Amino acid sequence: AQSVAQPEDQVNVAEGNPLTVKCTYSVSGNPYLFWYVQYPNRGLQFLLKYITGDNLVKGSYGFEAEFNKSQTSFHLKKPSALVSDSALYFCAVRSRNSGNTPLVFGKGTRLSVIA
Amino acid sequence: EAGVTQFPSHSVIEKGQTVTLRCDPISGHDNLYWYRRVMGKEIKFLLHFVKESKQDESGMPNNRFLAERTGGTYSTLKVQPAELEDSGVYFCASSQVLGQVHEQYFGPGTRLTVT
Repeated sequence: AQSVAQPEDQVNVAEGNPLTVKCTYSVSGNPYLFWYVQYPNRGLQFLLKYITGDNLVKGSYGFEAEFNKSQTSFHLKKPSALVSDSALYFCAVRSRNSGNTPLVFGKGTRLSVIA
Repeated sequence: EAGVTQFPSHSVIEKGQTVTLRCDPISGHDNLYWYRRVMGKEIKFLLHFVKESKQDESGMPNNRFLAERTGGTYSTLKVQPAELEDSGVYFCASSQVLGQVHEQYFGPGTRLTVT
């Protein structure tokens, strides 16, 4: 069975500092990996995805994530956090068996960027 | 291009009542998914339509939940009769069918509260 773990319920970081939101996964074979963000009173918004190729994936709003196969991790990073990055972040995985299979999500990490 | 829309945004009903949630996917997206997030937990898959056909309904909790997608456009999710544990945020997502691995585009969700 597929699963995603986001070990931190809450991450606090000062504005301008680098941020990391952790994600590890368990899936048979090679996965497709995604990060989504949910701003207050909004739906989930796609940030970035890893399909194949370069392990470092760049996405929206200056975010990037690094796929680490040996550690089965896909941590989300940003070099310099903004207050506007404060939101709920979800990591998700999908099986490679089909491109249209459902996403399996982690429970989310709330990021708070303090001015 | 309009995004995924959901109606209503909030619904408060009493135990035993019926509620119908609606989702309008992005035009041209054949894949439509329903997910649910119970407070503080993971976002969990409910079911997947390809056009008007149910591709996977393995995540549906029980037979009190009925999803339809007549004509392959919008979808409805009916809960009848509602129970307290049905409270949560119901998300709808859509994606294209073929070709590359497509990210799913999410709607803003319907927050359902059963009292």
